Amino acid sequence: AQSVTQLGSHVSVSEGALVLLRCNYSSSVPPYLFWYVQYPNQGLQLLLKYTSAATLVKGINGFEAEFKKSETSFHLTKPSAHMSDAAEYFCAVSDESNYQLIWGAGTKLIIKP
Amino acid sequence: SQTIHQWPATLVQPVGSPLSLECTVEGTSNPNLYWYRQAAGRGLQLLFYSVGIGQISSEVPQNLSASRPQDRQFILSSKKLLLSDSGFYLCAWGGGNTIYFGEGSWLTVV
Repeated sequence: AQSVTQLGSHVSVSEGALVLLRCNYSSSVPPYLFWYVQYPNQGLQLLLKYTSAATLVKGINGFEAEFKKSETSFHLTKPSAHMSDAAEYFCAVSDESNYQLIWGAGTKLIIKP
Repeated sequence: SQTIHQWPATLVQPVGSPLSLECTVEGTSNPNLYWYRQAAGRGLQLLFYSVGIGQISSEVPQNLSASRPQDRQFILSSKKLLLSDSGFYLCAWGGGNTIYFGEGSWLTVV
């Protein structure tokens, strides 16, 4: 069965510092992988997705993620954090069998001034 | 382009009252449709999904129900709300392998 693990329910970084949010997955088939961002009191917004093309995927707001099959990872990074990046981030893997996404528990990103 | 709308954005309902949340999608045909819930401090829980009109799959047993009376309309209902139904409800539609979310509806059951 597919699963997604996000390491760290909360991650705190200083403004201008590197952002690294970790996501590991398990899947018996080549996966489609996603990162979504949720700002307070809003719906989820697609940040980026991996669909078996380039392993380094660039998304909105300066974020990118790298698919590493050997490590079964899809970590999200941003070189320099902004205060506006404070939000909750969800990693997900596509379950091809039934049109669903398998979700991680989410990581709340806190930006310190 | 495709858009998704859900309403109402917020509502406060007494225990035992009915519920109806509505979601519509524009700009696409025959989308997969989803209802998710986020309880306070918790992750996403899939409640229902639909691959076509009148076709509803339930992921968890509960006192909620869903209906899809039209291709791009998805309704979440309850006959009698419980305190535990409080949370943030998200409608979503699927195109290809990607899911897109609405703005969400805050439900507080008092």
